[in-house]
Amino acid sequence: DIQMTQSPSSLSASVGDRVTITCRASLNIITYLNWYQQKPGKAPNLLIYAASTLQSGVPSRFSGSGSGTDFTLTISSLQPEDFATYYCQQSHTLPFTFGPGTKVDIK
Amino acid sequence: QVQLVQSGAEVKKSGASVKVSCKLSGYTLSALSRHWLRQAPGKGLEWMGGFEPEDGQMIYAEKFQGRVTMTEDTSTDTFYMELSSLKSEDTAVYYCATGRTTYATFDMWGQGTLVTVSS
Repeated sequence: DIQMTQSPSSLSASVGDRVTITCRASLNIITYLNWYQQKPGKAPNLLIYAASTLQSGVPSRFSGSGSGTDFTLTISSLQPEDFATYYCQQSHTLPFTFGPGTKVDIK
Repeated sequence: QVQLVQSGAEVKKSGASVKVSCKLSGYTLSALSRHWLRQAPGKGLEWMGGFEPEDGQMIYAEKFQGRVTMTEDTSTDTFYMELSSLKSEDTAVYYCATGRTTYATFDMWGQGTLVTVSS
């Protein structure tokens, strides 16, 4: 199975901060990489697919980049509603696997 | 409004089976990929299996092979996940998800169904 890792596992930030989350795959997944946001008690919500394509309806402060094994999710200016856990997921090889998550909370 | 609505919470004994349903409204199931995932309490997301139109067949994660069956009724736009031989480690929130964008991308999710397995 392709192992997905994320760093950091958690971070504290303030409203308005620029936040960067990193995801690394154990094998080359080209750009078959998606990002999800999950709030407590809710289902995940797709933010970015194919590494850098913003899902319809998602604010433009979210962006994704990377290819191969190293990927980044950036929130350009953190808003109160962005405090959540973020997961990356590879869609290159079965089984489709997720990173362990990065929890973003209020400083 | 396109949405997925799952069946309610379940409590099962070890060794029993559970069947969770997911009804799609506002769209046609046959046009979408459809998958099941789960999340144990306080843990991350785990893909269990699903159908991608590109693959043309239901595919299960090896971990669940032999224990999981995913079916669907396109006449009612409902799909189902049945997990047998339940163990305490199967206690989790089970999600259905569909996709309209790219391969194995889950752009719409059900609200989740909590399955609790007790001994």
